[in-house]
Amino acid sequence: DARVTQTPRHKVTEMGQEVTMRCQPILGHNTVFWYRQTMMQGLELLAYFRNRAPLDDSGMPKDRFSAEMPDATLATLKIQPSEPRDSAVYFCASGLAIGLADTQYFGPGTRLTVL
Amino acid sequence: AQKVTQAQTEISVVEKEDVTLDCVYETRDTTYYLFWYKQPPSGELVFLIRRNSFDEQNEISGRYSWNFQKSTSSFNFTITASQVVDSAVYFCALSEITQGGSEKLVFGKGTKLTVNP
Repeated sequence: DARVTQTPRHKVTEMGQEVTMRCQPILGHNTVFWYRQTMMQGLELLAYFRNRAPLDDSGMPKDRFSAEMPDATLATLKIQPSEPRDSAVYFCASGLAIGLADTQYFGPGTRLTVL
Repeated sequence: AQKVTQAQTEISVVEKEDVTLDCVYETRDTTYYLFWYKQPPSGELVFLIRRNSFDEQNEISGRYSWNFQKSTSSFNFTITASQVVDSAVYFCALSEITQGGSEKLVFGKGTKLTVNP
């Protein structure tokens, strides 16, 4: 049963610290998405990769967030410096882009708390 | 821009009752996809169904069924004979293709379903 994995599952850090979240997409999938979930905003797309290339990061605060895919099995989302308003659950999802709108399979999420 | 509205914020039912979760969407695209995801208390998002805009046939999967009506821009989800394990937040989502050619899901705010024993 192939699944998207994310680490860490929980992260508590202090304001100003760097946070790195990792995602391993389902083997064979060629699209990766990063979403953020908060009570106020719900689920929002932060970044989108296809074949490891970033196609859309318009939802991401550019000054402090960065997303990369060093290889096909690893995607990272980094926040530097972190702020209390970044506290949220961050989900990674992967899919297989064949036509329009491939189904996105979500990982378990990383719950981030910035004090 | 795309928009998904789930007007029911919370629903509470007693086990074995049927329950329908509403989803209304807005889009200018002629081709689009609709999804339902389940988020149980453990927090993960579980894919339930994907439906494209050209297929208006209703779908049934066990106790779950979906009613897609293009005329009213609705994609409602019914759980028959609900069970306690169905307690979760359910999200309806709509695909959006951005100008850059990428895609994303636009999610509704979710409906929290509580099934009481």
